[in-house]
Amino acid sequence: NAGVTQTPKFRILKIGQSMTLQCTQDMNHNYMYWYRQDPGMGLKLIYYSVGAGITDKGEVPNGYNVSRSTTEDFPLRLELAAPSQTSVYFCASSHWTGGETQYFGPGTRLLVL
Amino acid sequence: KQEVTQIPAALSVPEGENLVLNCSFTDSAIYNLQWFRQDPGKGLTSLLLIQSSQREQTSGRLNASLDKSSGRSTLYIAASQPGDSATYLCAVWSHRGSTLGRLYFGRGTQLTVWP
Repeated sequence: NAGVTQTPKFRILKIGQSMTLQCTQDMNHNYMYWYRQDPGMGLKLIYYSVGAGITDKGEVPNGYNVSRSTTEDFPLRLELAAPSQTSVYFCASSHWTGGETQYFGPGTRLLVL
Repeated sequence: KQEVTQIPAALSVPEGENLVLNCSFTDSAIYNLQWFRQDPGKGLTSLLLIQSSQREQTSGRLNASLDKSSGRSTLYIAASQPGDSATYLCAVWSHRGSTLGRLYFGRGTQLTVWP
C-alpha cells in the first residue's frame, strides 16, 4: 500500500515554462487536495476535488489548473511558471472531508528561475 | 478569516524533557483540530485529531488538548527523544467562507531534541 505518491521529487523550471505535477493515491479516497508550502509558512490550499470530475478552487488557485478524471489521480498543472510559484507542493487525500485525517504525499520541490 | 498561530517557532531541548507546544486559532467555529509532524524533505504525518466536541486525545507519549472556546490547543510530548526532532504543525478544519470547509495551517514549531 503506497498511500499518496508524487512525481517528480524536484524540478527546476524557467520562467514561462509549463509542467504537470503528478499525484496518485491507492486508498480509494474520494477527496484529494493540493497545497503549497513556502519557506517558514504554513500550507495553503490550491485546489481540491471531491470526486472524479469535480474540482474547486482553494485559497491560492491563480496560475494553476487541475483535473480529476479518475479516483486515483489528481494532477496539478502550472501554466507560464513564475518565480512566485517556487515552493514545495504537497498532494493529500482523505476518505471524506472534514472528519478524517488527510494523508500526505512526500512533496514536489519546485524552483522557478 | 481563520488564522492559526504556533508558539514557539523553534525549540531546542535536551533528551528526556517534557515539552509543550502551543497553537491558537482566531475563529472558534472549527470542526476539528489536527497535529501533524513534518520531517525535513518529507510530507506530513498525522499525529492526533481532536474533534470539536472532544477535550483531548492521546497517542503514546503525545497528548493534545483542545479548548475551543478560548481558541487554544496544546501538544504535550513526554520524555522527549532525539527521534522526536521535526517540525510540528497545527491545523484546524473550518467551514467559514467555504462550502466544504478546509484545513488552516499554522507555520509550525521546529523541535530539536539533543542527546
